[in-house]
Amino acid sequence: EVQLVESGGGLVQPDRSLRLSCVVSGFIFEDVAMHWVRQAPGKGLEWVSGISWNSGNIVYADSVKGRFTISRDNAKNSLYLQMNSLRADDTAFYYCAKGIFGMLTPFDYWGQGTLVTVSS
Amino acid sequence: DIQMTQSPSTLSAYVGDRVTITCRASQSISSFLAWYQQKPGKAPKLLIYKASSLESGVPSRFSGSGSGTEFTLSISSLQPDDFATYYCQQYKNYLYTFGQGTKLEIK
Repeated sequence: EVQLVESGGGLVQPDRSLRLSCVVSGFIFEDVAMHWVRQAPGKGLEWVSGISWNSGNIVYADSVKGRFTISRDNAKNSLYLQMNSLRADDTAFYYCAKGIFGMLTPFDYWGQGTLVTVSS
Repeated sequence: DIQMTQSPSTLSAYVGDRVTITCRASQSISSFLAWYQQKPGKAPKLLIYKASSLESGVPSRFSGSGSGTEFTLSISSLQPDDFATYYCQQYKNYLYTFGQGTKLEIK
């Protein structure tokens, strides 16, 4: 059974940092691209960042470029999102999602999400 | 950037109805389009990829069509479990843009 489990969310003050993690099982992690997608409460989906199987291709949405860093540890079946200089408009549920295969493929499995709230 | 526009934003229908949701891309994305279903409090679920390919395990009442800039998701006979929000997504380029969503409500 494929599972993606996010953690690391919580309440954080503006301009502070937070690191999200996503541990996966049930598939060969090192074979696939992975992504972070967020959803502000009551709003639509916004892709945040993606990383290829070997970390050789990393891409970001303009809204987070320069502030967020995606990474992965294939030995630990884990995906990460380091979020710096957080702003109120970063408040959202953050989902990790598995690409079907390479970078330019849709997302066939998602975690349950972790809520990040940026507020003073 | 590629913009994705869905219509309608909200759709009311009866169980048993056939419904269609439209997604338009601001430039051609060939067939690099996916459809997702999301229920309240849950993660999105992939329904359709490559514009018309049904994801494994998805009921055959769901179908997708289109290419280039105009795409549709159809549900042939609505079931109570189908009332949810639907999103299209382009994966032609690395910005993976989603449409704004279509909320399908029970009439």
